[in-house]
Amino acid sequence: DGGITQSPKYLFRKEGQNVTLSCEQNLNHDAMYWYRQDPGQGLRLIYYSQIVNDFQKGDIAEGYSVSREKKESFPLTVTSAQKNPTAFYLCATQMSGTGGNSPLHFGNGTRLTVT
Amino acid sequence: GQQVMQIPQYQHVQEGEDFTTYCNSSTTLSNIQWYKQRPGGHPVFLIQLVKSGEVKKQKRLTFQFGEAKKNSSLHITATQTTDVGTYFCAVPTGSNDYKLSFGAGTTVTVRA
Repeated sequence: DGGITQSPKYLFRKEGQNVTLSCEQNLNHDAMYWYRQDPGQGLRLIYYSQIVNDFQKGDIAEGYSVSREKKESFPLTVTSAQKNPTAFYLCATQMSGTGGNSPLHFGNGTRLTVT
Repeated sequence: GQQVMQIPQYQHVQEGEDFTTYCNSSTTLSNIQWYKQRPGGHPVFLIQLVKSGEVKKQKRLTFQFGEAKKNSSLHITATQTTDVGTYFCAVPTGSNDYKLSFGAGTTVTVRA
């Protein structure tokens, strides 16, 4: 969706290195999400944040960390503790004040390959 | 983990035919959303269902929410090559509606 920027589109790293994926939005949405998608599979929730300076673990948070210092930004760090980091990572935002009952807007994703 | 089952996982359809994909939950849902992801792309929101028994249509797509609000279906009539992609349902899980979990998706291919 326009207004959500994930960079870079492709990222390559060596095993054992931490890597940070960027997600920036100008939609003025309070809630932001990180999902992971593996080939042929659905989306699995890593972390989400409802407001600045607050975030919660999703279903597969182990080996990942996030921060939410600004409303516009929700970077995801894939640490060396993540056993299988190679995947397609999707950032999403959601309109404010809807209690979760509104559509997610997704960025174009970052495809991370770790060798 | 995921609390919604989506079937079938794959659907191979002859162009012009109809098909249906289903999402089933063991718990009552406050709402359900449907998304479409084209090959190589990102998920795009299609629709949200909130009311028991709700039916919504978007051209050849018909979305239905079950009376018990535990299941939903997406029916596509007269399938076209533009319908290719993966269709996901997403539901609020846990105690917080902000936590949205996705089904595994139905990947649709079309034979011309």
